[in-house]
Amino acid sequence: GQQVMQIPQYQHVQEGEDFTTYCNSSTTLSNIQWYKQRPGGHPVFLIQLVKSGEVKKQKRLTFQFGEAKKNSSLHITATQTTDVGTYFCPLWAGTALIFGKGTTLSVSS
Amino acid sequence: DTEVTQTPKHLVMGMTNKKSLKCEQHMGHRAMYWYKQKAKKPPELMFVYSYEKLSINESVPSRFSPECPNSSLLNLHLHALQPEDSALYLCASSQAGTHATDTQYFGPGTRLTVL
Repeated sequence: GQQVMQIPQYQHVQEGEDFTTYCNSSTTLSNIQWYKQRPGGHPVFLIQLVKSGEVKKQKRLTFQFGEAKKNSSLHITATQTTDVGTYFCPLWAGTALIFGKGTTLSVSS
Repeated sequence: DTEVTQTPKHLVMGMTNKKSLKCEQHMGHRAMYWYKQKAKKPPELMFVYSYEKLSINESVPSRFSPECPNSSLLNLHLHALQPEDSALYLCASSQAGTHATDTQYFGPGTRLTVL
């Protein structure tokens, strides 16, 4: 069945370093959504990508959808302690989003 | 208003108790969801309601009983739970639950402890 793998599962960076997480699918995706969950918090929608090769930016965050629509990346420039949390690219399963393990980012100052 | 509210925020219950979790949204969304999240694990889908009809029950034990009284409200009735059911229970809603582009909005969750 359709699967989405996210790598790495964990990443620790020093504040100010860049960070990238990748979401890879075994099949072509119609779109991809990214969510962030802070420690002790709930998942919050960040962005949605729909078009092949699409790139969207939110301040220090850059989201990209692959040309073949099988992968996506989230890049954070100059991480801050506020970036700590788990980033998810859940898979649409027909009526709901199914969450994988995500990438958990920790940042030390 | 993009808020999903959940009550209570915290709940401690014994294995013989009956309790209910409540979720509410006023975004006009027609799909609502219950997820269960254990510590350091991703949210795990339990139930999906679309247009007030249960469309998916992910083989959840019968001690969890969902109810959708109307399109704005979602309840989760709890009975005879086990300690391993202790978790964060997240409610979410989306426009219709029929399109991959539907964005899900999550509530803050109810942190449940079963003694």
